[in-house]
Amino acid sequence: DIQMTQSPSSLSASVGDRVTITCRASQSISSFLNWYQQKPGKAPKFLIYTVSTLQSGVPSRFSGSRSGTDFTLTISNVQPEDSATYYCQQSYSSPLTFGGGTKVEIK
Amino acid sequence: QVQLVQSGAEVKKPGASVKVSCKASGYSFTSKYMHWVRQAPGQGLEYMGIISPRDGSTTYTQNLRGRVSMTRDTSTSTVYMELSSLTSEDTAMYYCARDLDGSGRYFDYWGQGTLVTVSS
Repeated sequence: DIQMTQSPSSLSASVGDRVTITCRASQSISSFLNWYQQKPGKAPKFLIYTVSTLQSGVPSRFSGSRSGTDFTLTISNVQPEDSATYYCQQSYSSPLTFGGGTKVEIK
Repeated sequence: QVQLVQSGAEVKKPGASVKVSCKASGYSFTSKYMHWVRQAPGQGLEYMGIISPRDGSTTYTQNLRGRVSMTRDTSTSTVYMELSSLTSEDTAMYYCARDLDGSGRYFDYWGQGTLVTVSS
């Protein structure tokens, strides 16, 4: 199975900051990397697929990028409603696997 | 609008089975795969498997193979996930999630989740 390692496991940011979350794959996954946002007590929400394609309705302050097997989710000008846990997910090979999550707290 | 509505919380004893339903609406049920993902309390997301509502074909993650079964009823636009030989490690929130584009790679809509508690 492909292992997905996220860092950091948690972070705290102020409104307006730029937040960066990293996800590293244990092997090449091409561009099959997706991101989900989960708020407490809620189902995950689909944010970004194939590295950088925003799902419909997702604010443009969210963006994704890739460098080899390292992938980055960036939230520019973070807002209070962005407080959540973010998960990366590889869809290159079965079984689909997720990273361990990054909890983002907005101060 | 697309909606996935799951059945209610369940409490089961170790060794029992549980069957969770996920009723879809707002789109053509047979046109999109459905996935199942679970999340133990305070933990991350674990992929369980996929079912094609069109023909009922399934693929399960290896660590659940033999214990999990996914089925569908096209007359009611409902998919089911049954998990047998439950242990405390199966205590989790179980989600159905629709596939985005038929590729089997992305989950664009999620159910609200069904909490399954396994306790003696």
